Amino acid sequence: RKEVEQDPGPFNVPEGATVAFNCTYSNSASQSFFWYRQDCRKEPKLLMSVYSSGNEDGRFTAQLNRASQYISLLIRDSKLSDSATYLCVVRDYGQNFVFGPGTRLSVLP
Amino acid sequence: GAVVSQHPSWVICKSGTSVKIECRSLDFQATTMFWYRQFPKQSLMLMATSNEGSKATYEQGVEKDKFLINHASLTLSTLTVTSAHPEDSSFYICSARERLAGEPDTQYFGPGTRLTVL
Repeated sequence: RKEVEQDPGPFNVPEGATVAFNCTYSNSASQSFFWYRQDCRKEPKLLMSVYSSGNEDGRFTAQLNRASQYISLLIRDSKLSDSATYLCVVRDYGQNFVFGPGTRLSVLP
Repeated sequence: GAVVSQHPSWVICKSGTSVKIECRSLDFQATTMFWYRQFPKQSLMLMATSNEGSKATYEQGVEKDKFLINHASLTLSTLTVTSAHPEDSSFYICSARERLAGEPDTQYFGPGTRLTVL
């Protein structure tokens, strides 16, 4: 079983749609959780950290369920510029960041 | 967020040559930097963890004699791909870890280096 798994995608949604990304992790000792986005042929960029209480940043909402070892990202009112690959990232008790395979999102006009 | 630079952004070389890639943290000191490799349509795979002033820690399956890592200062780590071959062609990305009090450790990525070995 992979350490971090994500929806296989791709997701093709119209502008303005709400889209949800799911992620599960296998290591119950994982300490920190993040969502990164990666544009084609570019480096990943931090989108947001994920806190236990859940957190929101504008149109983006992240949730963490430690009991289920599940992380989610919700994008509301999606824009064309949201098109990218979304990476779920988990940091274990050491210092390693483990990346999920990513889910590609295409927002269509 | 913090800024990490990488140089060069792309390189084309002949098989058998060595290529050095630099990774710099521009506005913070990074005791730990990471080197990743990403093949087309695949996720990032950690190659090694670079600690300032000590030897790098390599992931399983990564040849330490082929991928030489030097982290001589708190703002610079280098990756040298020795005797590069076409199968080494990939997107190499470094990241540096920033530690802020009260915040989860965050990694910031360099823009990546696209290596093509002919």
